[in-house]
Amino acid sequence: EPEVTQTPSHQVTQMGQEVILRCVPISNHLYFYWYRQILGQKVEFLVSFYNNEISEKSEIFDDQFSVERPDGSNFTLKIRSTKLEDSAMYFCASRVLAGSSDTQYFGPGTRLTVL
Amino acid sequence: KNEVEQSPQNLTAQEGEFITINCSYSVGISALHWLQQHPGGGIVSLFMLSSGKKKHGRLIATINIQEKHSSLHITASHPRDSAVYICAAPGGSNYKLTFGKGTLLTVNP
Repeated sequence: EPEVTQTPSHQVTQMGQEVILRCVPISNHLYFYWYRQILGQKVEFLVSFYNNEISEKSEIFDDQFSVERPDGSNFTLKIRSTKLEDSAMYFCASRVLAGSSDTQYFGPGTRLTVL
Repeated sequence: KNEVEQSPQNLTAQEGEFITINCSYSVGISALHWLQQHPGGGIVSLFMLSSGKKKHGRLIATINIQEKHSSLHITASHPRDSAVYICAAPGGSNYKLTFGKGTLLTVNP
């Protein structure tokens, strides 16, 4: 069964460093999302991406964050200058159609630890 | 903005018990997701339902769109069912998910 993959599974970085989290969505999917979950808290929406551009972003997704689909298969989340509070689990998700009743498929997550 | 509430927050059961987890949301939606998160952190989609009831193995999900309420039931619970169960509502033109806080289920042998 096709699945969403994410790399790395765990990233440790120093505060102020740039990190790039990578995702490979399911190949025929059209909508892509990044969510994050700070330890002990609920999952939060960061950004959605459709037709090669950001379609919606949350208040969390400030200028330090960016997303890209550089080669038609990978979907990346970049954090330019990490802060301690960026430590969280980051999930990529994708779905196939543009309707409300589509299942979103989640990747296994990248655990980001900022020291 | 949709508020998604789940209850209970924590649930401990003995193997074989029937489990019910509840979810309510504040803004009308066309479908609701139930997800499972294991201790390692990965999220698996269990159900997406827009009306009535869906069944997958020992898992049953029901939804009442008018009352803005959904339930997830587990029959004959087993220790391997121990996980966090999360409901999530899609919203907006991009169907981003708003998540509940999750219910931590522990099933003891």
